[in-house]
This record gives sequence, C-alpha cells and structure tokens, in this order.
Amino acid sequence: AAGVIQSPRHLIKEKRETATLKCYPIPRHDTVYWYQQGPGQDPQFLISFYEKMQSDKGSIPDRFSAQQFSDYHSELNMSSLELGDSALYFCASSRQGSNEQYFGPGTRLTVT
Amino acid sequence: AQRVTQPEKLLSVFKGAPVELKCNYSYSGSPELFWYVQYSRQRLQLLLRHISRESIKGFTADLNKGETSFHLKKPFAQEEDSAMYYCALTSFSGNTGKLIFGQGTTLQVKP
Repeated sequence: AAGVIQSPRHLIKEKRETATLKCYPIPRHDTVYWYQQGPGQDPQFLISFYEKMQSDKGSIPDRFSAQQFSDYHSELNMSSLELGDSALYFCASSRQGSNEQYFGPGTRLTVT
Repeated sequence: AQRVTQPEKLLSVFKGAPVELKCNYSYSGSPELFWYVQYSRQRLQLLLRHISRESIKGFTADLNKGETSFHLKKPFAQEEDSAMYYCALTSFSGNTGKLIFGQGTTLQVKP
C-alpha cells in the first residue's frame, strides 16, 4: 500500500538559509499534519491542513510557513534557519472522519 | 491542560517476560488514545487505538477513564519488540485532530 512520502530525507543547511520540505499524503487522504521531533524529544505538532486550508496551528515559529496544494501535497517552508531548527520533521496524513494518522519517514534537517 | 505522561524513559526486560508500558493522560472531554511505535531508523507506526480494542503483535491496551491511564501490555516480550513507544491522544480543533505525544519509552528486550 502507498505510504506517506517525504522529500528530501536528509537536508543540511547553514544558519540563515531557507529550506523547503515536501510531503505527499496517502492517496485519498485530505488532511496533512506536520510535527517536529528534536533530538531525544517527543514529536511536537506544528501545523495541519484540511482541504487546502490551515486547520490548526501549534508551536510553529513565525519564520516557518506551510501550505497544502490542490493535489493535497504540502510544503513546509523554513526561513532564517537557526541551529535549534535541527530536528526530524514528520508529516502525517489522515482521511476526514478518521483520527488515524499515518506518518512519513521524516526529513532530517541539520543546520550548521 | 492536555497532556500525556509516560513516566519511564527506559524499560528493560528479558525475552519472555511480561511488559507494561505506562501512560497517563489529562484531557477535558472524551479522549481518543493511541500507541505508536518507532523501530530504529523507521517511521512512527500506529500500533493500537483504544476505540478498536484490537490486539496487535500481542500488545493490548485498555483505557481506564477513572485512572486516566492507557497502559500498553504484552504477556511475553520478544526481542523484535525493542523500539521506542509513544502514547498519544488526539486533541481536536475544527476538522482536524492533532496528536499530543508523551515523552516516549524505550523498550529494550534482552535475549
């Protein structure tokens, strides 16, 4: 069965650079969630989208923005990167009416 | 405040021993609770949800609303069960429900 796809899997950036992370949900899933998992930390919710509209927002810095496109894929844009942004970024998708979230493999972002 | 607490960072048992990973929560309303597992270098995978009451890979979890707990149990641990386990609850806002995770418990099953 198709799973959630994230790209790139690894990304190395320098401080103050920008990064774009992409997420492709499972077919027919209309809801996308982004989570950030710092080293040794539990995943923290950043933002979610349902039918291309932002539906909820967590502890996401103003330097980050995200959107969901007409094909339901989502992109997380991160600007003015800081060392503390180094983390594993997970995307998850679900189908409306179901609370089961299916996670992608994550993008490991390293800021140097 | 909505919160999930997993009091043990590490649980180490021998193969064949019973396992119980503790999870307590605080949530106003009726929560929906999950257990996710993360094997080494792999994605988070849904293991159990309290609504389905299934047994997956021999694991079970019962929601105890009186004690606000959702402990994960397995009668006989296997080495392949070694992984990080996260308890999570769904917090609803509009059309979507974000997951609030506990701190995670590393289960180490020794041969």
